[in-house]
Amino acid sequence: GAGVSQSPRYKVAKRGQDVALRCDPISGHVSLFWYQQALGQGPEFLTYFQNEAQLDKSGLPSDRFFAERPEGSVSTLKIQRTQQEDSAVYLCASSLRDRGETQYFGPGTRLLVL
Amino acid sequence: GQNIDQPTEMTATEGAIVQINCTYQTSGFNGLFWYQQHAGEAPTFLSYNVLDGLEEKGRFSSFLSRSKGYSYLLLKELQMKDSASYLCAVEKDSNYQLIWGAGTKLIIKP
Repeated sequence: GAGVSQSPRYKVAKRGQDVALRCDPISGHVSLFWYQQALGQGPEFLTYFQNEAQLDKSGLPSDRFFAERPEGSVSTLKIQRTQQEDSAVYLCASSLRDRGETQYFGPGTRLLVL
Repeated sequence: GQNIDQPTEMTATEGAIVQINCTYQTSGFNGLFWYQQHAGEAPTFLSYNVLDGLEEKGRFSSFLSRSKGYSYLLLKELQMKDSASYLCAVEKDSNYQLIWGAGTKLIIKP
């Protein structure tokens, strides 16, 4: 079946603008993860969903970041009042369950805040 | 705290063998993943080690020593398409979170 998809692939926002990033996980995958990846760095954990439940949001850098997965499939990461330091690639990954499971990544959304 | 160390960059010749090391200090350990990431693309799964020893999968092998907090990825018969970043990630035993290294950029020369 299809892999993880993300949209948009690229987003340019003016500072202060709100953005919404979408993730379509692999069908049937229970777990969904959002990561932020800066250039030349590994992914940094943002938040984790098990079905529709957001079990961990400890990695969200500020209260401007909000994620949801209302029906346990598609997820949206919203960033309010974007700042220049929010510029990064936002990766979404899904896995069948949680521990010990391979995470399958989407292509990412490259966000540039001017 | 959590710390994962990998060399920033390595260079190797097409057809040769290269070993990429990863050392970790984490509060808990369940397993270690290796992922490959080409520039501008998503990370893709290469291997997962839970027990000590060597896991071989085609041209790629991964080794783990839990007592030493050490892993390596061994790539044989290098091809130009192997030019990518290689990311080491530790799964802590308390939860599902992966702690990622910064990645090793591997450059293959003809």
